[in-house]
Amino acid sequence: LAKTTQPISMDSYEGQEVNITCSHNNIATNDYITWYQQFPSQGPRFIIQGYKTKVTNEVASLFIPADRKSSTLSLPRVSLSDTAVYYCLVNAGNMLTFGGGTRLMVKP
Amino acid sequence: DADVTQTPRNRITKTGKRIMLECSQTKGHDRMYWYRQDPGLGLRLIYYSFDVKDINKGEISDGYSVSRQAQAKFSLSLESAIPNQTALYFCATSDTTGAAQHFGDGTRLSIL
Repeated sequence: LAKTTQPISMDSYEGQEVNITCSHNNIATNDYITWYQQFPSQGPRFIIQGYKTKVTNEVASLFIPADRKSSTLSLPRVSLSDTAVYYCLVNAGNMLTFGGGTRLMVKP
Repeated sequence: DADVTQTPRNRITKTGKRIMLECSQTKGHDRMYWYRQDPGLGLRLIYYSFDVKDINKGEISDGYSVSRQAQAKFSLSLESAIPNQTALYFCATSDTTGAAQHFGDGTRLSIL
């Protein structure tokens, strides 16, 4: 299973764009890159998934360079309610491996 | 995610007791999973099931067993609970693409 590395924590202010980068040097050909968000005492919530280049949905964008050894989750104009832990995972379907995640703190 | 329901939400029990955590889903997904989360850490996969007749061990299956009673139900058992199994337990489901897993709100289990 591919291992991911992401910053332990990040701070931001309301209204700013936040970019969280994840490295996954041994990603396999069939692996997708998936990001989850987790609030305290809740289960993780799927944010976005991609394979290459760029994916955008209503809450985030995911940028993946050509070599796929890293990816960046971009959250536009964060609010206080975006304070959470964000997990980057690589998976070929179903075997999700969660690392420690990035604890994002959004300040007023 | 209200489509994935875990019971109980909280449980305190003693060492050596048999515990069963239950999970039911209304999403119609074939695939179901059990994870545990320790404080400040990510989730670790205990067991997963791709359909009613399929059970697979995850990363940390020792001390646990599961039963897939129906497509919608997947239970996790601790045959003889020990204190280091104190954790937050999550059930999740996904469709056959595995594109996204949908998690329940967790069961907080404390073993004294």
